[in-house]
Amino acid sequence: GAGVSQSPSNKVTEKGKDVELRCDPISGHTALYWYRQSLGQGLEFLIYFQGNSAPDKSGLPSDRFSAERTGGSVSTLTIQRTQQEDSAVYLCASSPPDLGGYTFGSGTRLTVV
Amino acid sequence: QKEVEQNSGPLSVPEGAIASLNCTYSDRGSQSFFWYRQYSGKSPELIMSIYSNGDKEDGRFTAQLNKASQYVSLLIRDSQPSDSATYLCAVNDFRDDKIIFGKGTRLHILP
Repeated sequence: GAGVSQSPSNKVTEKGKDVELRCDPISGHTALYWYRQSLGQGLEFLIYFQGNSAPDKSGLPSDRFSAERTGGSVSTLTIQRTQQEDSAVYLCASSPPDLGGYTFGSGTRLTVV
Repeated sequence: QKEVEQNSGPLSVPEGAIASLNCTYSDRGSQSFFWYRQYSGKSPELIMSIYSNGDKEDGRFTAQLNKASQYVSLLIRDSQPSDSATYLCAVNDFRDDKIIFGKGTRLHILP
């Protein structure tokens, strides 16, 4: 597609439920990143995929968070047993092989009630 | 711990004036530098990238890089109300691949 596509755009879930967030990167972009942004805060790095290499999971805040990238394209971020502090906008970005800057998707706004 | 520091603002600038946004970074190995603009409720948008010392101009925007001082800045000439947004400085070194973002500077252009 023309841009990075994320779905759903909004998600309201009950505390304790699992959620899955999807990211479809720009075609040909080998790198894919997940960030989250709480209200009025900066971007918090979560996880990074580059080609077929093992992902950099150093930013995942707890073992309730996991992500996978199938076929080097679409990625899914899963949050298990959601907590209220997980409420944030989850942003996906992709970049070309020369790492010349990211293109962000429009994000998924997650609200845990 | 690699860090990117920005003044959080808000920085208020009269319409038509030059807005100057500054950023410092801690890792001397950094090689790529980016400025993103983020409107309220929207995702960040890449507006400038710079890779070598000196100035890079694109329309009303000029990015300035000084690697010796570990300093990168963004100048916005003839500021417009539509420039009001949060500006994020971001830095990357190829040893690590991922970009580190500053917390952003809120810019308010006064009509």
